[in-house]
Amino acid sequence: DQQVKQNSPSLSVQEGRISILNCDYTNSMFDYFLWYKKYPAEGPTFLISISSIKDKNEDGRFTVFLNKSAKHLSLHIVPSQPGDSAVYFCATTSYNTDKLIFGTGTRLQVFP
Amino acid sequence: DSGVTQTPKHLITATGQRVTLRCSPRSGDLSVYWYQQSLDQGLQFLIQYYNGEERAKGNILERFSAQQFPDLHSELNLSSLELGDSALYFCASSPGEGLTDTQYFGPGTRLTVL
Repeated sequence: DQQVKQNSPSLSVQEGRISILNCDYTNSMFDYFLWYKKYPAEGPTFLISISSIKDKNEDGRFTVFLNKSAKHLSLHIVPSQPGDSAVYFCATTSYNTDKLIFGTGTRLQVFP
Repeated sequence: DSGVTQTPKHLITATGQRVTLRCSPRSGDLSVYWYQQSLDQGLQFLIQYYNGEERAKGNILERFSAQQFPDLHSELNLSSLELGDSALYFCASSPGEGLTDTQYFGPGTRLTVL
């Protein structure tokens, strides 16, 4: 039973365009969401996070949107760069839980 | 470089054996987390230790155990190994104890069980 789903295993985007990575969760108890990026042969790196009291958080080229009613979050990368090519994991947890659940990841490829 | 170190980088062993993976957190971080990433699977959170005490438990099998030592390094022990235990094992660390803390991941240990 996957509580966090990233339904697109891969995404290919042209350099300069917008990349949109999606993540759906099932449990409304989760109130904190994170995105991590992973390059081959390296550990994941934290990218951006959002608390459920907000619906948007922005950090440079990266913006995370949270739609609580739809239990959906998305990561927008604008403009996409070849160095963004990596696997992106969404994760969810709560301030008062011992549950931390990651999605299966979306492989983003940004081509010139 | 995240500042988190993991040893060994690669480990090949046989079914039924026992192995120990080691993690040194970033300087000053009190929490250590362990994850398993199997082929085509996302990251599975296994367990968290904070300042020597178990803080949160995820999908850790009974054959697996972990501990955090007074110098804050951590070890993950995997016993009675099965073929399905072949995976990448990541360690991460963070300053605080909450699961909402930003975690800094090590490069991982690739375990192959033959």
